[in-house]
Amino acid sequence: DVKVTQSSRYLVKRTGEKVFLECVQDMDHENMFWYRQDPGLGLRLIYFSYDVKMKEKGDIPEGYSVSREKKERFSLILESASTNQTSMYLCASRSQGTDTQYFGPGTRLTVL
Amino acid sequence: DAKTTQPTSMDCAEGRAANLPCNHSTISGNEYVYWYRQIHSQGPQYIIHGLKNNETNEMASLIITEDRKSSTLILPHATLRDTAVYYCIVRDSHGSSNTGKLIFGQGTTLQVKP
Repeated sequence: DVKVTQSSRYLVKRTGEKVFLECVQDMDHENMFWYRQDPGLGLRLIYFSYDVKMKEKGDIPEGYSVSREKKERFSLILESASTNQTSMYLCASRSQGTDTQYFGPGTRLTVL
Repeated sequence: DAKTTQPTSMDCAEGRAANLPCNHSTISGNEYVYWYRQIHSQGPQYIIHGLKNNETNEMASLIITEDRKSSTLILPHATLRDTAVYYCIVRDSHGSSNTGKLIFGQGTTLQVKP
């Protein structure tokens, strides 16, 4: 059974804090994605990674960075959290050459 | 990626088949039809995909019309746990977008009622 896990389901942070969101997949997938989902705006791609140590900006990378040191792990970093980063964050992975993405359960982040 | 149109909401009685339609009249020859769903406060879940032929797996069946301009997702025996937002997406399997990002529309909110 495919599995994508995220480090937290719910997270509350203060403005200005550095926030780490971790995602782990056990399917040996090359590609991994970070999205955020907001009401009325759908899914928006923040960053994606083709493979280890490779990353590309998505549509809304500002205020975020990522790290992919190991194939199974893709981390999203909020350098200095702001209230407009309050959102549901979704991690996904897929095997290179396919188009089916498998999602984690999501992290609902609230920045106060 | 081609645009899709889905009804905003549907109801279904528990135990009955749920038939969710999707129009994709501008679909091109190399685009697949994908279905995902998202249960409240959870991540999206892949359901099924197809190109031309009808497809079936343990979750659902996908019926694609001969002209490929529309499709129907069928949940054969809906349960309360199938209550979710269902998204129909068409995508070029070779990646019209090099990011591979998924673009979800508004989807159909399916409410399964006892």
